[in-house]
Amino acid sequence: DGGITQSPKYLFRKEGQNVTLSCEQNLNHDAMYWYRQDPGQGLRLIYYSQIVNDFQKGDIAEGYSVSREKKESFPLTVTSAQKNPTAFYLCASIPTGLNQPQHFGDGTRLSIL
Amino acid sequence: GNSVTQMEGPVTLSEEAFLTINCTYTATGYPSLFWYVQYPGEGLQLLLKATKADDKGSNKGFEATYRKETTSFHLEKGSVQVSDSAVYFCALGSRDDKIIFGKGTRLHILP
Repeated sequence: DGGITQSPKYLFRKEGQNVTLSCEQNLNHDAMYWYRQDPGQGLRLIYYSQIVNDFQKGDIAEGYSVSREKKESFPLTVTSAQKNPTAFYLCASIPTGLNQPQHFGDGTRLSIL
Repeated sequence: GNSVTQMEGPVTLSEEAFLTINCTYTATGYPSLFWYVQYPGEGLQLLLKATKADDKGSNKGFEATYRKETTSFHLEKGSVQVSDSAVYFCALGSRDDKIIFGKGTRLHILP
């Protein structure tokens, strides 16, 4: 079955450490997205990429970095510059075409040790 | 710019009650509208969608009608079940492939 796989499901970060969250999709979708979700709040866009080797900042990009070397993969690095990284991170992708819905992975919960 | 406003939760209902979760939007053009559902510890799943005015999206007993005159896309279900307890997000599609999400409404169904 096609879908989006996020790993790991739970991740712990020490102070001053960078961590990378994985997102892989086998849906052949061009565009991919990273969102942050805090308890009781909606989704905030961190970064998105519409084609390979290109990506744009979303609303809260500071302290995060991404790469898009392959169509299937869009990893997110939470750097030590992100002072409040504890959150639920969601990856999504969207097929080509006007006004298509996004498909989501099951998320990664990041906590600080 | 485009935006989505949905009713704040939590919403608590008894099993078999009628559900309405309000959603209104602001947009230029004719965007598609979506309802997503998120169960605890999981990602979002598309529940239903409508792509043009007067379209009715439906799935699993849930319905929503794209009302251009009132810029609304309210979610309804005639008889809710305990298993419907989740967070529901109203969303709007935009031309640049970004989706604008509402803040979500948490629904609790009591047995």
